[in-house]
Amino acid sequence: EVQLVESGGGLVKPGGSLRLSCVTSGVDFIYAWMSWVRQAPGKGLEWVAHIKSKGSGGTIDYAADVEGRFTISREDSKNTLYLQMNSLRTEDTALYYCAKLYTTTDLAFDYWGQGTVVTVSS
Amino acid sequence: EIVMTQSPATLSVSPGESATLSCRASLSVSNKLAWYQQKPGQGPRLLIYAASTRATGIPARFSGSGSGTEFTLTISSLQSEDFAVYYCQQYNNWPLYTFGQGTKVDIK
Repeated sequence: EVQLVESGGGLVKPGGSLRLSCVTSGVDFIYAWMSWVRQAPGKGLEWVAHIKSKGSGGTIDYAADVEGRFTISREDSKNTLYLQMNSLRTEDTALYYCAKLYTTTDLAFDYWGQGTVVTVSS
Repeated sequence: EIVMTQSPATLSVSPGESATLSCRASLSVSNKLAWYQQKPGQGPRLLIYAASTRATGIPARFSGSGSGTEFTLTISSLQSEDFAVYYCQQYNNWPLYTFGQGTKVDIK
């Protein structure tokens, strides 16, 4: 059974930092292309960042809103995806999901976690 | 950025009836279009990818169609477990994914 379990969310002041983790199981994580997607309260889904597998070059991309503030990374030995979030803003408040791409040609997300809540407030 | 627009925002349907959800892209996305179902407290679930291909384990009552800028998700004979929010997503402009704002299917 595939599971993606996020953790690390919490309440942080504007300008603060948080590190999110996503532990996966039942997935060939070393080959997986992974993303973070967020959902602000009462809003829709917004893609945040993406990382390819190391075998595919490990390419990283970010949404414009988070580039320069957020860093996505992976630790294949631990089947874990990370999102380091710095210089947080109130508008970063959201439920953060990790998601796995279905294949490298069908780039939809076939598995998602349950999410971890990030609240940025003074 | 490719803007995805879903309609209607809310669709009220009786169990056993069918539902038709629409998704429009501001630019052509070819067939690089996915549909997801989201229930309260859960992450989204992939229903359809490549505009019309059902994901593994998805019942045949879910079907997708369209290409270019106009797409449709049809749910025939709605079951109680189908009442949820549905999102479309384009991945033609990968990795700059964009999602629609969602259509809530609720019980009439």
